[in-house]
Amino acid sequence: SQQGEEDPQALSIQEGENATMNCSYKTSINNLQWYRQNSGRGLVHLILIRSNEREKHSGRLRVTLDTSKKSSSLLITASRAADTASYFCATDYTGANSKLTFGKGITLSVRP
Amino acid sequence: EAEVAQSPRYKITEKSQAVAFWCDPISGHATLYWYRQILGQGPELLVQFQDESVVDDSQLPKDRFSAERLKGVDSTLKIQPAELGDSAMYLCASSLGDGMNTEAFFGQGTRLTVV
Repeated sequence: SQQGEEDPQALSIQEGENATMNCSYKTSINNLQWYRQNSGRGLVHLILIRSNEREKHSGRLRVTLDTSKKSSSLLITASRAADTASYFCATDYTGANSKLTFGKGITLSVRP
Repeated sequence: EAEVAQSPRYKITEKSQAVAFWCDPISGHATLYWYRQILGQGPELLVQFQDESVVDDSQLPKDRFSAERLKGVDSTLKIQPAELGDSAMYLCASSLGDGMNTEAFFGQGTRLTVV
């Protein structure tokens, strides 16, 4: 079964706008990660936030984590057409051997 | 830049035939994952190795799927016999596996079509 659940399922925005994607999960985690997948390709790791962190930045990406609500959000600022892709959150909830469990993903379309 | 290598990139096979996929992880990565991704869905973990040992294969259909990582480096995933429902993208990923650095690096995947 899949741990994380992203919303919305699909998002369409204009270039230059910000995109916000959300992820909810069910059990305690060690960390939460976001990945991007371009059509027909492998996944690319974007950012990792640990359970003791609340916010993290990487370039145009901002991730927040609320462990009390078991939720995370990914914000992409000043979006570009090249950001068009599917985005997945993945939870790592084991201690000794990390086991990444992915959600169903969000399809982001950025219109030029 | 180090990459996870997978082959073949595409595979078409008839149902009831055997098919095998190969993965070479990034050098030094102890953890290796095989995921299956059906179009429009997220990756589903099939099997996870830590070095040469299987640590999770709870979602692997063991009546037809097998996976090995004999020397703790590269890995092979086999399906025998293939069924129509096995058509999917098969993704291999690796990570350091030290408990701290758990980011996974993915290969380009093998697109399997069973006809």
